[in-house]
Amino acid sequence: DQQVKQNSPSLSVQEGRISILNCDYTNSMFDYFLWYKKYPAEGPTFLISISSIKDKNEDGRFTVFLNKSAKHLSLHIVPSQPGDSAVYFCAAREFTNNDMRFGAGTRLTVKP
Amino acid sequence: EAGVVQSPRYKIIEKKQPVAFWCNPISGHNTLYWYRQNLGQGPELLIRYENEEAVDDSQLPKDRFSAERLKGVDSTLKIQPAELGDSAVYLCASSMTGLANYGYTFGSGTRLTVV
Repeated sequence: DQQVKQNSPSLSVQEGRISILNCDYTNSMFDYFLWYKKYPAEGPTFLISISSIKDKNEDGRFTVFLNKSAKHLSLHIVPSQPGDSAVYFCAAREFTNNDMRFGAGTRLTVKP
Repeated sequence: EAGVVQSPRYKIIEKKQPVAFWCNPISGHNTLYWYRQNLGQGPELLIRYENEEAVDDSQLPKDRFSAERLKGVDSTLKIQPAELGDSAVYLCASSMTGLANYGYTFGSGTRLTVV
């Protein structure tokens, strides 16, 4: 069963504009949500996370929003830069263990 | 600080042959994970170790997959015999127990192609 879903396989934005990547989940036991970034031929790298007790976390150009009632989170990148072009994975952790469940990823392309 | 090191980076084998992957986690990280990532999908957990103990191997196909983590450091993942459907990227990750909310550190992965 797919507990974490990223319904948009790809997103293309212009440099300087906002990128919004979305993620939905079904498991109400998730207590931490994370975003990973992956370049070709590399492993995913941790980008930003948010606890289920918060609704927003910001780190520089990256902001993650969590809507628990809708079981939805989003990653905002402002302003987007060409170097942000990568595959972004949404992930969620269940508080009873340390296992992470990943979405299928969204390929972001930022055009100069 | 060295990251998570995996080898080999690429492996091509014929079906029914055995194959093994190796992972060296970040020093001090006592939790180690093996994930499999199929094309166009996110990583899926195969097994999680806390030190030497496999604490979650529910997703590991035990008829052909095996893993070990001797002395609670390096780990190997083996497939015997390999099938065409095993073609994927095998990712190793590590974290300090209790700090997984800061994210795992992943290795670069081993891309396996079974022909």
